[in-house]
Amino acid sequence: AQSVTQLDSHVSVSEGTPVLLRCNYSSSYSPSLFWYVQHPNKGLQLLLKYTSAATLVKGINGFEAEFKKSETSFHLTKPSAHMSDAAEYFCVVSLPNAGKSTFGDGTTLTVKP
Amino acid sequence: GAVVSQHPSWVICKSGTSVKIECRSLDFQATTMFWYRQFPKQSLMLMATSNEGSKATYEQGVEKDKFLINHASLTLSTLTVTSAHPEDSSFYICSAREGTLTYNEQFFGPGTRLTVL
Repeated sequence: AQSVTQLDSHVSVSEGTPVLLRCNYSSSYSPSLFWYVQHPNKGLQLLLKYTSAATLVKGINGFEAEFKKSETSFHLTKPSAHMSDAAEYFCVVSLPNAGKSTFGDGTTLTVKP
Repeated sequence: GAVVSQHPSWVICKSGTSVKIECRSLDFQATTMFWYRQFPKQSLMLMATSNEGSKATYEQGVEKDKFLINHASLTLSTLTVTSAHPEDSSFYICSAREGTLTYNEQFFGPGTRLTVL
């Protein structure tokens, strides 16, 4: 079985300050992990993915995430938040041979001017 | 990157009518397509997984006869909401994955807002 927990339902940061969105996963096998972003009334866009290669993954728009097997975490970070980063973020886990992925409940990121 | 389109982007219909939503992969062949439902301020709820040429696999609690899914080609899947009622109003999102490997990411459509009056 696989599951994913996004530890914060809401995160608020000031523009120019770092962003940290936390994600813990549970899986019996080596998972693939993804972060997606969703702007209001839009579909989801892939930010980055981990697929058993480098544990530090760099994505689009300055985001990156580090896979930590010992902590079963895949936290998303960005050094400096921009107003356009305000959106909903989803952490997703997929297992080999599993037909479907499991989504976290999402984290709403608010960026204050 | 790969593009997935959905049509229509929004639809308003009367209670009791049926609505069809199309999901197309524009520049790749989608072996697997997924249909999700999303309520306001909530995560995506997987409704069904469809593989080209075979019957869709529905998640527990999803009515197969109400939400008809067809994946007739490698670039097109359709979701038909039959005899729609106000409680079916929601944001429906499809996604497509190239091949069968789960480390391939899903490409998401822009979503369809369904309002049933």
